[in-house]
Amino acid sequence: QQQVKQSPQSLIVQKGGISIINCAYENTAFDYFPWYQQFPGKGPALLIAIRPDVSEKKEGRFTISFNKSAKQFSLHIMDSQPGDSATYFCAASKGGYQKVTFGTGTKLQVIP
Amino acid sequence: ETGVTQSPTHLIKTRGQQVTLRCSSQSGHNTVSWYQQALGQGPQFIFQYYREEENGRGNFPPRFSGLQFPNYSSELNVNALELDDSALYLCASSYAGQETQYFGPGTRLLVL
Repeated sequence: QQQVKQSPQSLIVQKGGISIINCAYENTAFDYFPWYQQFPGKGPALLIAIRPDVSEKKEGRFTISFNKSAKQFSLHIMDSQPGDSATYFCAASKGGYQKVTFGTGTKLQVIP
Repeated sequence: ETGVTQSPTHLIKTRGQQVTLRCSSQSGHNTVSWYQQALGQGPQFIFQYYREEENGRGNFPPRFSGLQFPNYSSELNVNALELDDSALYLCASSYAGQETQYFGPGTRLLVL
């Protein structure tokens, strides 16, 4: 059972553009929604995270938008740079229990 | 502060064999989780250890087992290897009760 659905599978964005990745979840018990960035040959690294009591969180060029009623959340990367080229995973967990359920990933390529 | 380390980086085994993968947690972290990441997929939770005891398990058979040692390092053991066990195995450490997990670079296992 895939509890976190992620789209698109791949994304090509021009340098300076906005990258948008969307996720939807099924389990309403989830209360922590992190985004991870993974470069080839590396483990995932936490990028930014949000809780369902806020609708938006911004850290530098990265913004999470959260829609609790629709059970959807998205990552926006502003002013995308070639160095942002990586695979991005949305994820969810519940109640302080640290099992993290990951989406299937989005491979982002930022072209100059 | 040292990060999460894993060994070996790569491993080749044949079907039916057994394998042990190792993880050293980030300094001070007392919880370790293991994930399996198949090619092109998001990580899948295998199990978590806290205070040397299993603290939750994903949908993996009993031939996947683990240990956590008093220094919080950990092992993942897989018996009777199958071809589908070929994947990147990730270890993540954290403080108990905190959602943020820090991933190691992973061990790439190939089962022939």
